[in-house]
Amino acid sequence: EAGVTQFPSHSVIEKGQTVTLRCDPISGHDNLYWYRRVMGKEIKFLLHFVKESKQDESGMPNNRFLAERTGGTYSTLKVQPAELEDSGVYFCASSQDVGVNGYTFGSGTRLTVV
Amino acid sequence: DAKTTQPPSMDCAEGRAANLPCNHSTISGNEYVYWYRQIHSQGPQYIIHGLKNNETNEMASLIITEDRKSSTLILPHATLRDTAVYYCIVRVYNNNDMRFGAGTRLTVKP
Repeated sequence: EAGVTQFPSHSVIEKGQTVTLRCDPISGHDNLYWYRRVMGKEIKFLLHFVKESKQDESGMPNNRFLAERTGGTYSTLKVQPAELEDSGVYFCASSQDVGVNGYTFGSGTRLTVV
Repeated sequence: DAKTTQPPSMDCAEGRAANLPCNHSTISGNEYVYWYRQIHSQGPQYIIHGLKNNETNEMASLIITEDRKSSTLILPHATLRDTAVYYCIVRVYNNNDMRFGAGTRLTVKP
């Protein structure tokens, strides 16, 4: 089966611009998660979708970040306007159900804000 | 979720077993122990998890002490491709906020 796909793999934008990251979860996985690692820090949880609904967005850093999952399939994470401190790697993961099993992560999008 | 403590780095000879320790002395009864790894430039990869019994799958074995305050991930025959950062995570099964911590950087040497 195809894994979790993220694109772009890399993005370099200027401060103040807008960037949209996309994640395609494994087909049939209702649960989709966004995590990120900013420079020198740990990987941190951002939010969790169950189908198209935001189940938990407690990790979203501020209102410059907007996540959507229309139709419960792929998800987008928009950063508008981007700031320098948003630079890092953004990971998406999916799982079939919310339970004990582990998540499948994508390879991430490396975002650089200059 | 309980905090975990791991050594920052370890080396292992290729073909030998790699034993990665993790301390989680404040673990609660409903918290599972998970192991993930991150190979350079890739996303985290799930390895194994357990509650209180030892577990084994095609990738690794997980040994959890009887008091559940520590665990060891065992890669039975480490290869160069196992070089990665290994994360020990303790969480309630339905908690999305997995705390990855700094992990252990395992280097497998020829």
